[in-house]
Amino acid sequence: QLVLTQSPSASASLGASVKLTCTLSSGHSTYAIAWHQQQPQKAPRFLMNLNSDGSYNRGDGIPDRFSGSSSGAERHLTISSFQSEDEADYYCQTWGTGIVVFGGGAKLTVL
Amino acid sequence: QLQLQESGPGLVKPSETLSLTCSVSGGSISRSSYYWGWIRQPPGQGLEWIGNMLYRGSSYYSPSLKSRVTISVDTSNNQVSLKLVSVTAADTAVYYCARSPGSRWGQIDYWGQGTLVIVSS
Repeated sequence: QLVLTQSPSASASLGASVKLTCTLSSGHSTYAIAWHQQQPQKAPRFLMNLNSDGSYNRGDGIPDRFSGSSSGAERHLTISSFQSEDEADYYCQTWGTGIVVFGGGAKLTVL
Repeated sequence: QLQLQESGPGLVKPSETLSLTCSVSGGSISRSSYYWGWIRQPPGQGLEWIGNMLYRGSSYYSPSLKSRVTISVDTSNNQVSLKLVSVTAADTAVYYCARSPGSRWGQIDYWGQGTLVIVSS
């Protein structure tokens, strides 16, 4: 079964670097994913797609302080120089045979 | 710049049909190989995929909703529609319209602003 697992919360100091992790279920370690950001009371926004080889493409207008990386079944989103507007929920998302799956989301807050 | 705008009734009675429309601007639904679909988010909860379709007809639906959902594309009005029958309070959510590139049919790359639908008598 295709499942994405995220830790539900994380926090970081302003200006710091923060890494969020999304883990693919067993047998799905080669899958690409997408990362989405949802600021409070707003619609989600596509941040990037991220492949198993660590290559990624940011969406339109996404700052380059957002980057992606991969290690086995883990897909990472790194925010360098964390800013107050980056306080949001972050969802990873993937797809398989006829199905789209979201992770449970990670709430990122300022320390 | 692509824009997706959802519209429809904000209140639907239990057992009735939820109908929403997504108006697409800044790009033609029929000009490119993109999938157009819907995702929902119950209050205070995470995202749930409903389904999507290619304007030429290929479609995918969530197994848990498949028996109640129909997604259709109106190329003449550049709109995508959602119909969900026999709704219950569990269908109360913000409903988002979304686009996926044809080469990666399940990867969402554009979202609408969302519309809240409450199911209540």
